[in-house]
Amino acid sequence: GAGVSQSPSNKVTEKGKDVELRCDPISGHTALYWYRQSLGQGLEFLIYFQGNSAPDKSGLPSDRFSAERTGGSVSTLTIQRTQQEDSAVYLCASSLRARADSSYEQYFGPGTRLTVT
Amino acid sequence: GENVEQHPSTLSVQEGDSAVIKCTYSDSASNYFPWYKQELGKRPQLIIDIRSNVGEKKDQRIAVTLNKTAKHFSLHITETQPEDSAVYFCAAPMAGGTSYGKLTFGQGTILTVHP
Repeated sequence: GAGVSQSPSNKVTEKGKDVELRCDPISGHTALYWYRQSLGQGLEFLIYFQGNSAPDKSGLPSDRFSAERTGGSVSTLTIQRTQQEDSAVYLCASSLRARADSSYEQYFGPGTRLTVT
Repeated sequence: GENVEQHPSTLSVQEGDSAVIKCTYSDSASNYFPWYKQELGKRPQLIIDIRSNVGEKKDQRIAVTLNKTAKHFSLHITETQPEDSAVYFCAAPMAGGTSYGKLTFGQGTILTVHP
């Protein structure tokens, strides 16, 4: 079946502009994550959506970053007033709903490479 | 929350040698431990995982071992090949709270296999 998709694949924007990144998770996956990966670095957690629960926003680096998930499916990550340090690959991942006694594989999308000039 | 430490940060081996990457975690109730491989320019992909009811799992040349008492788990790659060169990430979930199931990733290990 279809995997996690993200759009756009590449985005170049000028400093100070707002950008929106989109993630389409695997159908039926109620858990959705956003990560940021700078060149040669690890996976920096940004935000976690789990079903109808309030999202875990503890990884968002500043109030310029926000995310929403509409209808429990598609998610949009918005970065306002972009800065050069926001340049990175933004990865989305989805999984089945975690239970208190078990977790499940995360499937990653191809990422959006954001360049702020 | 969960804290995951991964070592080493870089690992260089000769083709045919074995490679071992180790992770420690903090939440004793964590019950699922995946390993992801990320090739250059690609997305991370799961290569093997283990649940807390077993101590070892093998899949061809890769294996994962889990020591729940010591709260660490390791990835073992035998007979390494150049195509094993990649960044490897371990992860562990939060086992409680409102964010249960949320995976915390280690810092990554850059594995280079020299022909």
